[in-house]
Amino acid sequence: GAGVSQSPRYKVAKRGQDVALRCDPISGHVSLFWYQQALGQGPEFLTYFQNEAQLDKSGLPSDRFFAERPEGSVSTLKIQRTQQEDSAVYLCASSKGDRATYGYTFGSGTRLTVV
Amino acid sequence: KQEVTQIPAALSVPEGENLVLNCSFTDSAIYNLQWFRQDPGKGLTSLLLIQSSQREQTSGRLNASLDKSSGRSTLYIAASQPGDSATYLCAVTAHGTDKLIFGTGTRLQVFP
Repeated sequence: GAGVSQSPRYKVAKRGQDVALRCDPISGHVSLFWYQQALGQGPEFLTYFQNEAQLDKSGLPSDRFFAERPEGSVSTLKIQRTQQEDSAVYLCASSKGDRATYGYTFGSGTRLTVV
Repeated sequence: KQEVTQIPAALSVPEGENLVLNCSFTDSAIYNLQWFRQDPGKGLTSLLLIQSSQREQTSGRLNASLDKSSGRSTLYIAASQPGDSATYLCAVTAHGTDKLIFGTGTRLQVFP
């Protein structure tokens, strides 16, 4: 696709509910990243994939957070038993792979509100 | 641990002014530095990417410089317009990692 596509754009979840956020990266981009952005803050790294391999998940805040990219393209970020502190914008980014040269392209994000 | 700081946190200027946004980082071992723009409720739009071997990049009215040894970057916006109003974020990709480390941003308002 022309850009990084994320869905849904907005999600309201009741506390304790499970949610799944989808990211469709730019076609051919091998690297995919998830970031969490709290209100008024810069994005914080969550996890990184190269193709289908999850190379870094050091930013996932708890074991309630799980990400996958089974075929090396679309990725899903799943949050189990959502808590109010999970309310944030979740951003997905992709890159051709040579980070020094190409940088990153971000999607518009999913705004998650846990009530 | 790499930390990125942006000054000022907020800036309000009249239309037509030239302005400078500042970004500093604590570890000079970086692959690149990228400036992004974020409009309210939206994702990030990449403005300029400076590789570690470069000193500056230009795009239209925007110019970004990089001084790796001192851990600083500036984003210069010439002849500001109300449409430039947004939050500007800088981020570095540190050596040994693939992730971006972001600053907290500068919220810019350009009034007519």
